[in-house]
Amino acid sequence: NAGVTQTPKFQVLKTGQSMTLQCAQDMNHNSMYWYRQDPGMGLRLIYYSASEGTTDKGEVPNGYNVSRLNKREFSLRLESAAPSQTSVYFCASSHILGRAFFGQGTRLTVV
Amino acid sequence: AQTVTQSQPEMSVQEAETVTLSCTYDTSESDYYLFWYKQPPSRQMILVIRQEAYKQQNATENRFSVNFQKAAKSFSLKISDSQLGDAAMYFCAYRIYNNNDMRFGAGTRLTVKP
Repeated sequence: NAGVTQTPKFQVLKTGQSMTLQCAQDMNHNSMYWYRQDPGMGLRLIYYSASEGTTDKGEVPNGYNVSRLNKREFSLRLESAAPSQTSVYFCASSHILGRAFFGQGTRLTVV
Repeated sequence: AQTVTQSQPEMSVQEAETVTLSCTYDTSESDYYLFWYKQPPSRQMILVIRQEAYKQQNATENRFSVNFQKAAKSFSLKISDSQLGDAAMYFCAYRIYNNNDMRFGAGTRLTVKP
């Protein structure tokens, strides 16, 4: 079972570069999420999507954009990367009433 | 917005002993879910246990159990007979029933001493 798949696993960007983190789930979940994890701060919600075509801001949306391309895929885009966006990023999915399933994470470094 | 607080950045336990990790949350909702996730060095997030707020009975999963105090908005995790493999970061999480917004605490790093 693939579950939630994130790509890439590691990425180094220069300040000002752009990139898109990809996420796909094969569990037919309606809800998908993007979190960032920083030391001492746990996981903070960036954006989430309740269903295809809908997205909502979480706690820390500034500097990010998302696209819910279809039910399976939810991408996170950094238009102009900044060192403050150095973090580990997690994608997750869930049923509306259930637990979340997580991808393996993407370690992003912005230099 | 709801918040989740884990007041213990680090905890340590001797192998085979019992340890309790604390979590409190702030909400005005009456229907919600609470979770404990474990994150080992592999970074994978693993669900340890889940509690529905409408259930008075505390959830249990083998050596893991919770003490859910709804009035006090407290949700602690007890690990019995601790094993070396229990060493990890533990995150408490909260989610309103029928809502997509799920929030996490800052985490507690658990060390297990042989």
